[in-house]
Amino acid sequence: NAGVTQTPKFRILKIGQSMTLQCTQDMNHNYMYWYRQDPGMGLKLIYYSVGAGITDKGEVPNGYNVSRSTTEDFPLRLELAAPSQTSVYFCASSYQGPTNTDTQYFGPGTRLTVL
Amino acid sequence: QKEVEQNSGPLSVPEGAIASLNCTYSDRVSQSFFWYRQYSGKSPELIMSIYSNGDKEDGRFTAQLNKASQYVSLLIRDSQPSDSATYLCAVNKGGRDDKIIFGKGTRLHILP
Repeated sequence: NAGVTQTPKFRILKIGQSMTLQCTQDMNHNYMYWYRQDPGMGLKLIYYSVGAGITDKGEVPNGYNVSRSTTEDFPLRLELAAPSQTSVYFCASSYQGPTNTDTQYFGPGTRLTVL
Repeated sequence: QKEVEQNSGPLSVPEGAIASLNCTYSDRVSQSFFWYRQYSGKSPELIMSIYSNGDKEDGRFTAQLNKASQYVSLLIRDSQPSDSATYLCAVNKGGRDDKIIFGKGTRLHILP
């Protein structure tokens, strides 16, 4: 059981470039999330998904896109990278069910720098 | 008012003492409450979850929830240097607005 995996671990982008941050979970969780964490700050929710084919915006969705074609994968797309998107990105997953147990499990993070 | 508020710290506590971390939340209908620990450069990991009023104990950790006061706290007994980390409070409203909101975290420093 690998849990939540993210690739890449580190990436440097130039302004205007695009990239996709990959996230995969093998726990059969229905909910998946993308957060960003700026230095010394808490986590801000970018997008989340309650199941395959369903996504919704979080607090800071501008400049990002997501898709959820399978239960396991939840990639985050940056189309036109900007310096303001320099951050650490965490993917997380949880299981929401009748008992409402919703512990989130986090991936190791992707450290992105936009120059 | 921010949805989830925490004192950013740093909170310095002598080794062996009790560390007390506090969190307030704005939405009265919130249902689930979590404390995560995050070491520098690492991802958050769950310490405690609590869903009903009162205390919940797990080893050296005790979570306390008071829904009337919209207040949740984490007590760490017999603090160890390895407890030095940032502690994130998180709240899930549940229902139609079913997403978890995090506070900015409190930095805890245990003094040897």
